[in-house]
Amino acid sequence: EDKVVQSPLSLVVHEGDTVTLNCSYEVTNFRSLLWYKQEKKAPTFLFMLTSSGIEKKSGRLSSILDKKELFSILNITATQTGDSAVYLCAARDYAGNNRKLIWGLGTSLAVNP
Amino acid sequence: DSGVTQTPKHLITATGQRVTLRCSPRSGDLSVYWYQQSLDQGLQFLIQYYNGEERAKGNILERFSAQQFPDLHSELNLSSLELGDSALYFCASSVGTDNQPQHFGDGTRLSIL
Repeated sequence: EDKVVQSPLSLVVHEGDTVTLNCSYEVTNFRSLLWYKQEKKAPTFLFMLTSSGIEKKSGRLSSILDKKELFSILNITATQTGDSAVYLCAARDYAGNNRKLIWGLGTSLAVNP
Repeated sequence: DSGVTQTPKHLITATGQRVTLRCSPRSGDLSVYWYQQSLDQGLQFLIQYYNGEERAKGNILERFSAQQFPDLHSELNLSSLELGDSALYFCASSVGTDNQPQHFGDGTRLSIL
């Protein structure tokens, strides 16, 4: 069965720390991996990764995909309290006509001042 | 603001009842997705519509149904409600059906008493 596993489940850090969130996947017809940030309401899109080894960067956030080892990481440097959220990753299953995103349970990040 | 609008924000009802959740996608988006999010199961994909037609199906119960109308808004109908249906229901939209990010609405919180 296709699945996405995120680790750690929860993380508490101090402002200024650097964090690395992990996402591993087992998806038979894998096409891409997406990262989202969920604060109180809607998940908001961060990155979509399709190719191995190419880092995507947005400010203090960056992400990379390893299609050989079937995982992705999301790095946040110089964390701020506003980074506190649940970070979700999802793998796109491109099987036939029933293409869909398979979601992990998320990593809850709390950044303390 | 993602541009995806969901109503109502919160619904409280009793077991056995039926409710309708509504979603208006971002302007220009043809695909609408429905998700259920509960604390223990994370984001579960229910169903996708593209330009009025069902495109992909996930773990949607037979008691649940959805449709997308000519103006591209979508409704998710939940019937014979059970306590376990209490969850946050998200709608997301994307431009097409291929490898594109989905943008989420703020969700409808459904509470079954």
